[in-house]
Amino acid sequence: DGGITQSPKYLFRKEGQNVTLSCEQNLNHDAMYWYRQDPGQGLRLIYYSQIVNDFQKGDIAEGYSVSREKKESFPLTVTSAQKNPTAFYLCASSESGGNSPLHFGNGTRLTVT
Amino acid sequence: AQKVTQAQTEISVVEKEDVTLDCVYETRDTTYYLFWYKQPPSGELVFLIRRNSFDEQNEISGRYSWNFQKSTSSFNFTITASQVVDSAVYFCAPGGNMLTFGGGTRLMVKP
Repeated sequence: DGGITQSPKYLFRKEGQNVTLSCEQNLNHDAMYWYRQDPGQGLRLIYYSQIVNDFQKGDIAEGYSVSREKKESFPLTVTSAQKNPTAFYLCASSESGGNSPLHFGNGTRLTVT
Repeated sequence: AQKVTQAQTEISVVEKEDVTLDCVYETRDTTYYLFWYKQPPSGELVFLIRRNSFDEQNEISGRYSWNFQKSTSSFNFTITASQVVDSAVYFCAPGGNMLTFGGGTRLMVKP
């Protein structure tokens, strides 16, 4: 079955450590996205990529970094510069940019203490 | 670019009631898309519908229906005969490259 896989589902880190969240898709979609969701809040766009080796910052990119070396993979690194990294992170993909429906992964819940 | 507003942050109904979730949008574009997504307690968002600005026909899918009205810049979502499984957060979202979601509407359907 085609879909998006995020791993792990739960992640715990100590403050000051960088951590990388995995996102893989086998839908052959060109565009991929990372969102952050805080309790009771909506989704805020961190980064998006419309094509391999290219990505753009979203609304809250500070303290995060991404890479898009392969079409099917879009890992997100939460760096120690991110002031409040504890959140639910959702990865998504779409066929061709923001006018195509997004397909979401199950999310990774990151807790930093 | 478009912007959407979901004024209802939380709605609570009893099972079998009909419920309408409001979505008002702003845009200067003549061609645009709007979406609805559902986020159940498990966390994964599920795409429900996409509507483009050329098509104002109402859409019905089972107990779900959508009313798109350009005259009032609204794209409202109605669930008929709600069920407990409809409990979720529902997001109305604009299209475009910077696909940003608002806070959504949390729907609680009580048995």
